[in-house]
Amino acid sequence: EAGVTQFPSHSVIEKGQTVTLRCDPISGHDNLYWYRRVMGKEIKFLLHFVKESKQDESGMPNNRFLAERTGGTYSTLKVQPAELEDSGVYFCASSGNLDYGYTFGSGTRLTVV
Amino acid sequence: QKEVEQNSGPLSVPEGAIASLNCTYSDRVSQSFFWYRQYSGKSPELIMSIYSNGDKEDGRFTAQLNKASQYVSLLIRDSQPSDSATYLCAVKDGGSNYKLTFGKGTLLTVNP
Repeated sequence: EAGVTQFPSHSVIEKGQTVTLRCDPISGHDNLYWYRRVMGKEIKFLLHFVKESKQDESGMPNNRFLAERTGGTYSTLKVQPAELEDSGVYFCASSGNLDYGYTFGSGTRLTVV
Repeated sequence: QKEVEQNSGPLSVPEGAIASLNCTYSDRVSQSFFWYRQYSGKSPELIMSIYSNGDKEDGRFTAQLNKASQYVSLLIRDSQPSDSATYLCAVKDGGSNYKLTFGKGTLLTVNP
């Protein structure tokens, strides 16, 4: 079974630019999550999709962040325009059953300079 | 604000010893608790889950849960250098049943 795939693995962009992160969940997993870890802090929840629907986006920092999951398969997280404080590691995870833990991707390390 | 607290470490143990990792949480209605292992630059990997008070053993790993004290721990027996990693305690939100709150993690180093 292929795991959760994220790309790019690293991205360095200038303040004000746009970046789009992509996540391919495990096939058949309806639940997809985005989390973020900024330096020195814990991993924090951003949002949760069930299939193509946003179930909870309470963790999204502000309206510069836009997540989509077209067709209930892969998901994208766009940051536009990027700010310095957006730097961190963005993790995607998926699960088939809410009762158990998730499987995480290896993350995208975003650096805004 | 729901919180999960872990000692950041580093925790250093000799090879073959027992490593003990601790975690406290604030959400009294949480029912699901997880330990993830994360090697540097890699994804968090689920190694243990526990849902009921008491101990749960899986190979060299034992998770312990005490809901009254809001305390979760992970014991690693016969520690190996390959166990050196950051261990993340995660608590599933009691209200949502899907959102995880993470601690900052404990860095474990097992010395040969």
